[in-house]
Amino acid sequence: DAKTTQPNSMESNEEEPVHLPCNHSTISGTDYIHWYRQLPSQGPEYVIHGLTSNVNNRMASLAIAEDRKSSTLILHRATLRDAAVYYCILRVPTGNQFYFGTGTSLTVIP
Amino acid sequence: DAGVTQSPTHLIKTRGQHVTLRCSPISGHKSVSWYQQVLGQGPQFIFQYYEKEERGRGNFPDRFSARQFPNYSSELNVNALLLGDSALYLCASSEMGALLYTIYFGEGSWLTVV
Repeated sequence: DAKTTQPNSMESNEEEPVHLPCNHSTISGTDYIHWYRQLPSQGPEYVIHGLTSNVNNRMASLAIAEDRKSSTLILHRATLRDAAVYYCILRVPTGNQFYFGTGTSLTVIP
Repeated sequence: DAGVTQSPTHLIKTRGQHVTLRCSPISGHKSVSWYQQVLGQGPQFIFQYYEKEERGRGNFPDRFSARQFPNYSSELNVNALLLGDSALYLCASSEMGALLYTIYFGEGSWLTVV
């Protein structure tokens, strides 16, 4: 199974940018990098995904290293509603199998 | 539009009993997958179904089974419940089983085994 490594927890001040790192040194050439987040007592919510190039959407940006062995999720201005567990996931090419790690618990300080 | 809906939201069962969890995917979605999330851990993949056929299975014992119906809804069944089966069970759906399609999770079914 493809594995990802994330810090257990991070803190950020409200309205400041947050950079959430992820290492995936065993990534294969066809694995997509996905980020989901999970608020307390809710199911995971899609944030962003990419393959090789950096990606932007209304929620966040994804920066992928040139060798694809690491990536960084960037929240441009953290809000209290961004407090959640963020999962960096490699998607197995054959289907919907996502292999989650333990994620990074983000605390946003007012 | 309705998201992925799961039922029941909470339930308590006794060791040795059987449980059935239900999932309705987003309208138009043909792929459903199931995950188990134990407290403090990330979700673990159990099954994936696409067009009513099993397309993937995680490392779970045969006590776990699932099926997908013609309307693309799905059931997860767990027999001979153990205390360790206590978890949040998540259902996710997507348009197809391919790489590029985002999967959407439901709110989950909280199972407590006593």
